[in-house]
Amino acid sequence: TQLLEQSPQFLSIQEGENLTVYCNSSSVFSSLQWYRQEPGEGPVLLVTVVTGGEVKKLKRLTFQFGDARKDSSLHITAAQTGDTGLYLCAGYTGTASKLTFGTGTRLQVTL
Amino acid sequence: NAGVTQTPKFQVLKTGQSMTLQCAQDMNHEYMSWYRQDPGMGLRLIHYSVGAGITDQGEVPNGYNVSRSTTEDFPLRLLSAAPSQTSVYFCASSYSAFLSSGNTIYFGEGSWLTVV
Repeated sequence: TQLLEQSPQFLSIQEGENLTVYCNSSSVFSSLQWYRQEPGEGPVLLVTVVTGGEVKKLKRLTFQFGDARKDSSLHITAAQTGDTGLYLCAGYTGTASKLTFGTGTRLQVTL
Repeated sequence: NAGVTQTPKFQVLKTGQSMTLQCAQDMNHEYMSWYRQDPGMGLRLIHYSVGAGITDQGEVPNGYNVSRSTTEDFPLRLLSAAPSQTSVYFCASSYSAFLSSGNTIYFGEGSWLTVV
């Protein structure tokens, strides 16, 4: 079973601060996805990264896929209260339907 | 524009009871799946289906059954509920089973199940 470890598990910061969430595995993934989940709702896809070393930006969010395709990071610049939620990474090995989710990072942004 | 619809939203069961969690999607997606979400463990795949009439086991299938008689529906059955099945259950669908870039997985809003 592939394991995706996320760190930190919990993060509480003030609005305007920067933060980075990490997603690490000993397994190689053909692609990696990041999701955000708000209370009482299902996860919503933010981005998919496919190529080793790839960097994708989504407004204030920057996603990077490690060169070896075993790890990824999510960096948020100038966090806002609307960024509050559970962030999940998920790795795909290329075998049909096999998406492995990380343990999650719960982010709280306060005024 | 319903997307993925799950019912019920909340359910309390007694140990040993059976029940079915319903999942329906209106996007004509071939791939559907069920996950459970427990604190500190992310989402774990229970069962999945790559098309009508085809189902397969995921990471944690024990105690659950599924069927896929139509493209739209993918119910999850708990045959004899146990307290260990207390969890939040999510149904998901996507256009294709090959989860590459450009193929988005859509999740339902979740079903909160408590087994006492």
